[in-house]
Amino acid sequence: ETGVTQTPRHLVMGMTNKKSLKCEQHLGHNAMYWYKQSAKKPLELMFVYNFKEQTENNSVPSRFSPECPNSSHLFLHLHTLQPEDSALYLCASSQAGPYEQFFGPGTRLTVL
Amino acid sequence: AQSVAQPEDQVNVAEGNPLTVKCTYSVSGNPYLFWYVQYPNRGLQFLLKYITGDNLVKGSYGFEAEFNKSQTSFHLKKPSALVSDSALYFCAVRDIGQAGTALIFGKGTTLSVSS
Repeated sequence: ETGVTQTPRHLVMGMTNKKSLKCEQHLGHNAMYWYKQSAKKPLELMFVYNFKEQTENNSVPSRFSPECPNSSHLFLHLHTLQPEDSALYLCASSQAGPYEQFFGPGTRLTVL
Repeated sequence: AQSVAQPEDQVNVAEGNPLTVKCTYSVSGNPYLFWYVQYPNRGLQFLLKYITGDNLVKGSYGFEAEFNKSQTSFHLKKPSALVSDSALYFCAVRDIGQAGTALIFGKGTTLSVSS
């Protein structure tokens, strides 16, 4: 899992806090993704970036704000979250196109 | 619309027996198909993919998958299961005609291998 790293691995936050999740890929890829994985639910795609440009936003609430400053780094800024936002947030990267994605270990988020 | 279905929430197999984890897909064109595995508290790990060519695809850790266009299936198989294969398995699909690069994942199948 050294190809895609995510920090922090665990995060507990209150509903009024602001925090950020960080993802970094060391694979030379040019596409990056955020996914949400909740218990008993399929993996949900949140955002896609190709060559630093956001190409998909899967109807994600505005309390989640992505940022991709370069093709190696991806952030997910969080503010005024709800308890139902508690989940495992996974970052992935790939070459742009129909190639396999490589996943980070995830950030386990708990919203109190 | 693209979709992928994993009809079994859980598959139970005894160690040493063959295993199959089922996946069916629906796309408007030709599919790119993937299998991933997830161990507890870890991210997803890529196992294998089908793009074109031979219908039997070999992947990591002794896993293989068979692409069947007429049945729109891409079942994951292994001739002899190990206890360490116990994990959550995801099938994913991308439509070649899609401009984006995102994959559509199934809901996952938990594989439990008993000793």
